Amino acid sequence: EAGVTQFPSHSVIEKGQTVTLRCDPISGHDNLYWYRRVMGKEIKFLLHFVKESKQDESGMPNNRFLAERTGGTYSTLKVQPAELEDSGVYFCASSQAGGGEQYFGPGTRLTVT
Amino acid sequence: KQEVTQIPAALSVPEGENLVLNCSFTDSAIYNLQWFRQDPGKGLTSLLLIQSSQREQTSGRLNASLDKSSGRSTLYIAASQPGDSATYLCAVRRYSSASKIIFGSGTRLSIRP
Repeated sequence: EAGVTQFPSHSVIEKGQTVTLRCDPISGHDNLYWYRRVMGKEIKFLLHFVKESKQDESGMPNNRFLAERTGGTYSTLKVQPAELEDSGVYFCASSQAGGGEQYFGPGTRLTVT
Repeated sequence: KQEVTQIPAALSVPEGENLVLNCSFTDSAIYNLQWFRQDPGKGLTSLLLIQSSQREQTSGRLNASLDKSSGRSTLYIAASQPGDSATYLCAVRRYSSASKIIFGSGTRLSIRP
């Protein structure tokens, strides 16, 4: 069974540009989560989807970040416009149940120059 | 607010030694505690998950303990090997928001051959 996959593995963009990250959860997992680790800090929660609905988006830093999960399958996280402080590693995770074990993808390393 | 602290931030030991990684958390009302391993450029691998009603979990050379009353957990690695070199992350989930994982900043472990 395939694990959580993320695309791209690495993205380098200039300040002010737009970037879209994609996450494909494990098949059959209704719950999908986004986390990020910015330089020197711990990994922090961004948001949680249950199917296509946002269950908890309390960790989203500001309105430059937009997450979607149309159809309840894969999810995208768009950053528009990107700022220097958005650089970091963005992780996606999925789980069968809301409180169940989360399985993490390899992450997307975003570098904003 | 739940905070997770890991000490030390980095550790280097010779191969074959037994070692202990420490984790502390401020709010004892946790749903579970989990230890992850992260290798450079890769995602997070779950090592051990301890439910709030449990005191410890074991997997091979790894043993994790949980003391909710004192807000502490330890990860014990027996007979360390160079392949154990990685960053180890402690993470908790609270009952009030069991879908959200709160991470510590990690301990970077290096095992010298």
